[in-house]
Amino acid sequence: AQSVTQLGSHVSVSEGALVLLRCNYSSSVPPYLFWYVQYPNQGLQLLLKYTSAATLVKGINGFEAEFKKSETSFHLTKPSAHMSDAAEYFCAVSDWGAQKLVFGQGTRLTINP
Amino acid sequence: GAGVSQSPSNKVTEKGKDVELRCDPISGHTALYWYRQSLGQGLEFLIYFQGNSAPDKSGLPSDRFSAERTGGSVSTLTIQRTQQEDSAVYLCASSSQGGMSNQPQHFGDGTRLSIL
Repeated sequence: AQSVTQLGSHVSVSEGALVLLRCNYSSSVPPYLFWYVQYPNQGLQLLLKYTSAATLVKGINGFEAEFKKSETSFHLTKPSAHMSDAAEYFCAVSDWGAQKLVFGQGTRLTINP
Repeated sequence: GAGVSQSPSNKVTEKGKDVELRCDPISGHTALYWYRQSLGQGLEFLIYFQGNSAPDKSGLPSDRFSAERTGGSVSTLTIQRTQQEDSAVYLCASSSQGGMSNQPQHFGDGTRLSIL
């Protein structure tokens, strides 16, 4: 079965600094990959998705992610953090044959003024 | 347009009671999913509906949990004889395609269930 590992349950950066949230998946075959963001007391909002059309994927709110097959990674980045980026971020993969999303444990992003 | 709607937003009930959680998916979406989000377990898949096919119930944690989807639209998740470990946020999602698809799932704001 697929699995997703997010390194770092908490990440803290200063406003204006680079944001890097790490995600590694377990499949040897490129799956479909997603990043979601969750604000307090809300559901998950799609940031971006990888569907094999391009390895660098741009999403909403200035976020992007790069698919690296050799590293089985799909790390999320944003060049300059904003206070409104404070939230929990989830990496997810479509599970082959089981028709569901498998999520990482999430990374809580804190932005320091 | 309208997103995925879940009700109630919060539910507090006593241990041993039954609860029903409702999900209204995005109009036209054929796939509907239930997930559970808890502190210890993260986000867990519960059940998946696709059109008129038999649902994938592989994520339901016990036979106290059941779900149905009427008319291919609204879904209800029922938990019987609730236990304290059932306390969690229950999230519903819908998608325009099911299966191994690149179509993203769109989530509701969830129902926060607290068992006293």
